[in-house]
Amino acid sequence: QITLKESGPTLVKPTQTLTLTCTFSGLSLSTSGVGVGWIRQPPGKALEWLALIYWDDDKRYSPSLKSRLTITKDTSKNQVVLTMANMDPVDTATYYCVHRQLTGGYNWFDPWGQGTLVTVSS
Amino acid sequence: QPVLTQSPSASASLGASVTLTCTLSSGYSNYKVDWYQQRPGKGPRFVMRVGTGGIVGSKGDGIPDRFSVLGSGLNRYLTIKNIQEEDESDYHCGADHGSGSNFVYVFGTGTKVTVL
Repeated sequence: QITLKESGPTLVKPTQTLTLTCTFSGLSLSTSGVGVGWIRQPPGKALEWLALIYWDDDKRYSPSLKSRLTITKDTSKNQVVLTMANMDPVDTATYYCVHRQLTGGYNWFDPWGQGTLVTVSS
Repeated sequence: QPVLTQSPSASASLGASVTLTCTLSSGYSNYKVDWYQQRPGKGPRFVMRVGTGGIVGSKGDGIPDRFSVLGSGLNRYLTIKNIQEEDESDYHCGADHGSGSNFVYVFGTGTKVTVL
């Protein structure tokens, strides 16, 4: 069974850098085809895909946020870290960690973590 | 990249059926769409993927048989038959676009389903 859990600050100030950690079990980012990513959802709004990292360290970013995002992995700790620079109140959202499997063509996001709410305010 | 359009809300009486629609923008009729269910206060969970040929692969873990999908033209449908109280959720559709450094995943705005 795959589980993912997000951790990080609940409150950040404008202009600060947000660092979120996804700790997972039931999968290994050293296994071919495995990916872990991030998706966010502002309160009452739509989901927005942010970034993905794969077993071979290949990375994908949302074009609209690429300049502010960095995704890295620590295979030994079973963790993926997302940093987002220059935070703004519009970045207030619940941030979800997700698993994506490339092999077999069934590359949907499954499962999702429980999410962590990040508020940006001075 | 495609735009996915969903109605903001839908409702059905307990035990009735409801069909949700995710409409792809013009030119993307061959795209497959993923459906996700998000219960109140919870994270989303994968329901199933749909193309013009119907379901792609298998349903997500624990998704009941009363959930089904169809695809036609630019529309991707999710039907819930014999709707139950626990089906009251937001339903999101999403799709891959591009590959390599041009990859992006796009979501619709979601449909809130109310069970009357």
